[in-house]
Amino acid sequence: EPEVTQTPSHQVTQMGQEVILRCVPISNHLYFYWYRQILGQKVEFLVSFYNNEISEKSEIFDDQFSVERPDGSNFTLKIRSTKLEDSAMYFCASRTRVEETQYFGPGTRLLVL
Amino acid sequence: AQSVAQPEDQVNVAEGNPLTVKCTYSVSGNPYLFWYVQYPNRGLQFLLKYITGDNLVKGSYGFEAEFNKSQTSFHLKKPTALVSDSALYFCAVRAKTGANNLFFGTGTRLTVIP
Repeated sequence: EPEVTQTPSHQVTQMGQEVILRCVPISNHLYFYWYRQILGQKVEFLVSFYNNEISEKSEIFDDQFSVERPDGSNFTLKIRSTKLEDSAMYFCASRTRVEETQYFGPGTRLLVL
Repeated sequence: AQSVAQPEDQVNVAEGNPLTVKCTYSVSGNPYLFWYVQYPNRGLQFLLKYITGDNLVKGSYGFEAEFNKSQTSFHLKKPTALVSDSALYFCAVRAKTGANNLFFGTGTRLTVIP
C-alpha cells in the first residue's frame, strides 16, 4: 500500500541554522500539507499546497517558513533560521482531489539547540 | 472558527470491555470528521471518517464512530478492547466548504489493561 515518506526521521540543529524537511507524498495525490506537533501538544496545521502554490497557511507559518515542490515527487518544508520553539515533530500529509482523507507520513522530529 | 474538544486526556479500560473515546466539535456548516491513531514514535494512522450518509461509520481494526449532529459529537467506539489498542487517539474536523486543513483535538491516551 502506498505511503507518505519523510526524511530525515530525526534532525538536530543549532538555533539560527536552516533546515529542510523532505516528504514524498503518495504518487497520485494532489494536495499536500505540513503539520507540526510540539511535544505533548496537539497537531497543528502549518500550510497546504495545491497546484504548485500555497492554498492556505496558519499564523505559525511566518516568513521563516517556506514550502516547495522541486520536482514531481518531493515536497519540502524549509525553516530559514530555526528557533528553540521550532522543536517539534513535523508531519507531511497528502490526499487526492476527491477523497477527503489526509494520509500522514511518519514525521520528522526536529530538535533545535 | 473550527475546533475540536476531546474532554478526556486519559481513558483506561479493561481488555475485553467496550471502549469509548469522546469528541465534540465546532464548525461552520457541515463537518467532515476523522479519527486518527498515533502509536509511540509513529505517525498518524487514519482510522475512519464521516463525510455524509449513515451516521454510524465503521473503520479499521473494529473501530466505529457515530456522528451526532444535534450534540455535535463524533465519539469513537469499539465493542471489545484489545491491549494492542493502547495508543493516542486524535479527533479532527474540517468544514465541507472553505479551507481544507484539519483541526485536531488535544488527543486522548487510551490504555487497555490486561
